[in-house]
Amino acid sequence: ILNVEQSPQSLHVQEGDSTNFTCSFPSSNFYALHWYRWETAKSPEALFVMTLNGDEKKKGRISATLNTKEGYSYLYIKGSQPEDSATYLCAFAHGGATNKLIFGTGTLLAVQP
Amino acid sequence: EPEVTQTPSHQVTQMGQEVILRCVPISNHLYFYWYRQILGQKVEFLVSFYNNEISEKSEIFDDQFSVERPDGSNFTLKIRSTKLEDSAMYFCASRTYGTPQPQHFGDGTRLSIL
Repeated sequence: ILNVEQSPQSLHVQEGDSTNFTCSFPSSNFYALHWYRWETAKSPEALFVMTLNGDEKKKGRISATLNTKEGYSYLYIKGSQPEDSATYLCAFAHGGATNKLIFGTGTLLAVQP
Repeated sequence: EPEVTQTPSHQVTQMGQEVILRCVPISNHLYFYWYRQILGQKVEFLVSFYNNEISEKSEIFDDQFSVERPDGSNFTLKIRSTKLEDSAMYFCASRTYGTPQPQHFGDGTRLSIL
């Protein structure tokens, strides 16, 4: 059974703090690792799709790194803002025709002004 | 920006009744998916659909479930005889050809079985 784990489950930070979360996934038969940002009552929004070991992607204040050999990815948010408050989901896609996603439980981030 | 749309946003149904959840994927996308999230649990894969047929389905997707793309734009999930444990948030997703591509999700349909 393929399992994706995320930590921490939730995080409360002050505006301006930088923060990071972890996603761990199976290191065998890896195809891609997806990060999504999910606000309540909205659809999950794609942040990054990462495929290469050592890959690093950036979108504004958010960045992510990937280690496929040891099976983990980090998501970093620099200078958190209240609008960053959301659940951050990672999802593992293993090799196969369909690229179905196997999701972690998510990290709930709350940024206090 | 094009988006995936799902209807209805909330469906309340009596146990044993049939329910159809509807999705309109992004127009040039070729791969379609249904996922669901039972309250308090992970988002889990149900089925993927490509070239007018199911390409993969999970153990959850038993004979009570079916998917269809009846008219080239809609993508539907049917549950024939709903059970209490089918209560969940159901998400449709689509992606374009080429790898790797993100899957684009709809806002979901909350299905409540009474």
